[in-house]
Parts: sequence; C-alpha cells; structure tokens
Amino acid sequence: GQQLNQSPQSMFIQEGEDVSMNCTSSSIFNTWLWYKQDPGEGPVLLIALYKAGELTSNGRLTAQFGITRKDSFLNISASIPSDVGIYFCAGRNYGGSQGNLIFGKGTKLSVKP
Amino acid sequence: ETGVTQTPRHLVMGMTNKKSLKCEQHLGHNAMYWYKQSAKKPLELMFVYSLEERVENNSVPSRFSPECPNSSHLFLHLHTLQPEDSALYLCASSLDGESEAFFGQGTRLTVV
Repeated sequence: GQQLNQSPQSMFIQEGEDVSMNCTSSSIFNTWLWYKQDPGEGPVLLIALYKAGELTSNGRLTAQFGITRKDSFLNISASIPSDVGIYFCAGRNYGGSQGNLIFGKGTKLSVKP
Repeated sequence: ETGVTQTPRHLVMGMTNKKSLKCEQHLGHNAMYWYKQSAKKPLELMFVYSLEERVENNSVPSRFSPECPNSSHLFLHLHTLQPEDSALYLCASSLDGESEAFFGQGTRLTVV
C-alpha cells in the first residue's frame, strides 16, 4: 500500500533556530497538507497545498509542494517555545475524499528556550 | 478551538463494559469522521459519514459501532474492547466529503 515517510522523527532545537522537515511518498499526490498537534489536543491544519511547485506561507511557516509531486517540505523560521508539538504531513492522490488521505507518522519538535 | 467538540476527553473502561464517545459540531459541515491515533503510528481513518450516511468503513472490528443521528452529531459505541484498542480517538468534520477536515480534541481511551 501507499506509504508516507516523514523525517526527522524528532528534533531538539534552540529557540530562534529555523526548522525543516519533509515527507516523501512512494506515489504521486495532488494534495499535501501539514497539521500540528499540541499535547492533549487534536491536529490543527496549518497549510494546504494543491499544486506542484506551490509555495505557501502561514506566518513563520512555509510549506512547498515538491515539483515531482512525491514530496513536501515544511519550514519554520525563528522558532519559539509554542512551536513545540507534533507536525504531521498528509497526502491525497485521487479525488478529494477524506478517505483517500494518508498521514505520516509525525515529527516531534522540542524547543529549548 | 476548531468548533468540533468531543466528550469525554478521557475514558477508562473494562473489557466487558459498553461506552460511547460523542462528537458534536455546529460548523454547518455535512461530513464527519472517526480516526484512531495510536503511539508511533499514522492516523487511521475508521469511519466516514456524509450527509448522515456511512460512506466508508475501513475494516474496523464490529466492537466499534458508529452512529450519526444528524449532521451535527456523531457517536462511536464501544463494547467488549481489547487492551490494544487503547488510543486517542479523534473526530473530525468537513464542509463536504472533499474539503479539508477540522479535528476535535480527541478522547483518550484506556481499556483495562
């Protein structure tokens, strides 16, 4: 079946540093989504990407839809303590059904003040 | 606050118990979903309801029984669960079956 490889699994960074994480797929996707999950909460959608090559920002967050349609990147600039959490990528490769959405295992981000 | 509310937030139940999880949204969404989140595993889609009709059931054991009485409410009825069913159960809703979903805060379920 389809798989999403999300890396790194975890990151320990200093406040103020930039962060980069990515997801790769074994097949082509036409939608990439990035979610953040705080401890004890549900995932919150950060950025949605629908077109190969698309680069979208949300505050200090920037995500890109890879040109090959098999990968996506999320960058966080000038990290702050509230960036702590688990970041998930998710991809969809046909139709728009929620049932076709595949999630990565997440990147756990820890920020040292 | 995403507008999707789940109760209870935490639940401990024995393997012979029967319990229900509740999800409520007043966002005007027409599609609702149940997901299971286990440690170190990707989110697993369990059930999809669109306009109150079940449109997807991803080979979930019959000890999990969903119910969608109207477009604003979704239940997950639990009976004779196993310890490996312990997980975070997330409800989500979307405007329609093809729009991005908003998640609730989840119910942390522990089966003892």
